[in-house]
Amino acid sequence: GAGVSQSPSNKVTEKGKDVELRCDPISGHTALYWYRQSLGQGLEFLIYFQGNSAPDKSGLPSDRFSAERTGGSVSTLTIQRTQQEDSAVYLCASSLAPLAGSWETQYFGPGTRLLVL
Amino acid sequence: AQSVTQLDSQVPVFEEAPVELRCNYSSSVSVYLFWYVQYPNQGLQLLLKYLSGSTLVKGINGFEAEFNKSQTSFHLRKPSVHISDTAEYFCAVRRTGGFKTIFGAGTRLFVKA
Repeated sequence: GAGVSQSPSNKVTEKGKDVELRCDPISGHTALYWYRQSLGQGLEFLIYFQGNSAPDKSGLPSDRFSAERTGGSVSTLTIQRTQQEDSAVYLCASSLAPLAGSWETQYFGPGTRLLVL
Repeated sequence: AQSVTQLDSQVPVFEEAPVELRCNYSSSVSVYLFWYVQYPNQGLQLLLKYLSGSTLVKGINGFEAEFNKSQTSFHLRKPSVHISDTAEYFCAVRRTGGFKTIFGAGTRLFVKA
């Protein structure tokens, strides 16, 4: 079946502009995660959604970052007034609901490479 | 809160040699532990995971890891590496039953002919 997809694959923007990054999780996966991968810094947790529960936003670095998940499926990560330090690869992952067999395993998308000039 | 430390940022090794990639974690509660691999120009994929039970966990491509609770470690090993194992390897931790996953900074394994 189809894996996690993300769009766009690359995004170049100017400092101060807003950007939206999209993630389509694997069908039937109720958990969805966003991470940021900066050069040499591994994966930084940003936010996760699980079903209809309130999202865990504890990893969002500032109030310029927000995310939503519509209909329990597609998610959009929005960065307002982008800064050069926001340049990174933004990764999305999804997983099954708890207790639904191997729910701990996350399936990652290919990422969106964001460059803020 | 949980944290992960990968002790080596880069590990160069010759083909067919053994390798160990080190990972230490910190947590006040019980945890799940993971190793993910990211091949060049590809997305991350799960290599192996420890949830409970046997402390020696076997994964794909001949890799294995051992959970050591007393040393809070989860080192990844392979007895004989191939050129194709060249990739970045990430150790990750999550509290038991939780969703939030904390990743280490990654170890770049470079296998030389």
